[in-house]
Amino acid sequence: AQSVTQLDSQVPVFEEAPVELRCNYSSSVSVYLFWYVQYPNQGLQLLLKYLSGSTLVKGINGFEAEFNKSQTSFHLRKPSVHISDTAEYFCAVSEFKGASGSRLTFGEGTQLTVNP
Amino acid sequence: GAGVSQSPRYKVAKRGQDVALRCDPISGHVSLFWYQQALGQGPEFLTYFQNEAQLDKSGLPSDRFFAERPEGSVSTLKIQRTQQEDSAVYLCASSLETSGGYEQYFGPGTRLTVT
Repeated sequence: AQSVTQLDSQVPVFEEAPVELRCNYSSSVSVYLFWYVQYPNQGLQLLLKYLSGSTLVKGINGFEAEFNKSQTSFHLRKPSVHISDTAEYFCAVSEFKGASGSRLTFGEGTQLTVNP
Repeated sequence: GAGVSQSPRYKVAKRGQDVALRCDPISGHVSLFWYQQALGQGPEFLTYFQNEAQLDKSGLPSDRFFAERPEGSVSTLKIQRTQQEDSAVYLCASSLETSGGYEQYFGPGTRLTVT
């Protein structure tokens, strides 16, 4: 079975400061890794994903994440945040195997609050 | 283009009532997923369809939960005899293909409140 741990439930930062949202995963097989963002009363929107290749992946809105296989981590970073980045962020994994293996397993989320 | 739509957006049900939640996936998407998101939690998998076939229903919490996708497009999640613990946001997602690397596109969700 796979699991995802988001190490911080809430991250408050000031506008234009850098931010890192931490994610660790556990799985007995190879996985794909995702970060989703959820704004209030909306569905989830994909920020970025890691499938293979370069361990540093870039996504929308200036976010990037680095896959570290040895540490089973996939931390999300942004060098300078904006007020509009205030939202809930979810790390998720899916396993390679089979059609039903593409189900996503989510962490519990990190609430990013950007203050002026 | 149109994304994933869900209806109703909000549903209030009295305990013991049956409810039906609808999902309209992106046209042509083969895979369809249902997730349940409790307040303050991440979404949890309920069930998965590949076209009209329900290939995985291991996440359905009880036999009161039933999902269908009879023509391989629109899907309905039905909850019978609702209980307070069923209160949550129910998210539907669709994906173009079946393998894990493809993006799942999420609808806005249906917020179910059982009183």
